[in-house]
Amino acid sequence: DVKVTQSSRYLVKRTGEKVFLECVQDMDHENMFWYRQDPGLGLRLIYFSYDVKMKEKGDIPEGYSVSREKKERFSLILESASTNQTSMYLCASNKGGLAYDEQYFGPGTRLTVT
Amino acid sequence: KQEVTQIPAALSVPEGENLVLNCSFTDSAIYNLQWFRQDPGKGLTSLLLIQSSQREQTSGRLNASLDKSSGRSTLYIAASQPGDSATYLCAVGPGTTTDSWGKLQFGAGTQVVVTP
Repeated sequence: DVKVTQSSRYLVKRTGEKVFLECVQDMDHENMFWYRQDPGLGLRLIYFSYDVKMKEKGDIPEGYSVSREKKERFSLILESASTNQTSMYLCASNKGGLAYDEQYFGPGTRLTVT
Repeated sequence: KQEVTQIPAALSVPEGENLVLNCSFTDSAIYNLQWFRQDPGKGLTSLLLIQSSQREQTSGRLNASLDKSSGRSTLYIAASQPGDSATYLCAVGPGTTTDSWGKLQFGAGTQVVVTP
């Protein structure tokens, strides 16, 4: 079974802090994704990576950056956390080729910025 | 721009009833459609994936149909159980895209409660 893990289930940070969210998949998937999910807004794609060191912006990349130094690991970075980045963050991966082939999600990180 | 709608937003049924969940999309030129389940505070679990060339997919008590021409997919869950209580989301993969890679378009989900 595909397993996608995220470093934290819950995280509380202060405004202005630099925040790292880590995602690891164990199925040698080429593609990895970061989404955020908010009530009333649904899932929105932040960034997508199709290979090591490669990335594409999603719908809402502002205020975020990403890093993919190894194939199995995809990190989301909030350079200077703000309260409007309080959200549920979901990582996903799929085997490659098409970004919209079957995606496998991690358990999510609930981030609160105070 | 593709829009994906799920109606109703919430649904409550007694245990044992069949569940019928709807997903509609505005652009029929899709590549695939995926159904997910999400438990409160958790990530998404993939349930079924239907390719554009398929009319339906089945897994256990779950059956998903796809009618591209009318822009609709339906997820049927037979003989519902309290453990089926969750939010169900559909997501559409584009058949054509202005991006170099495309992305899934998600519906807002239907929150299901199955009462014992």
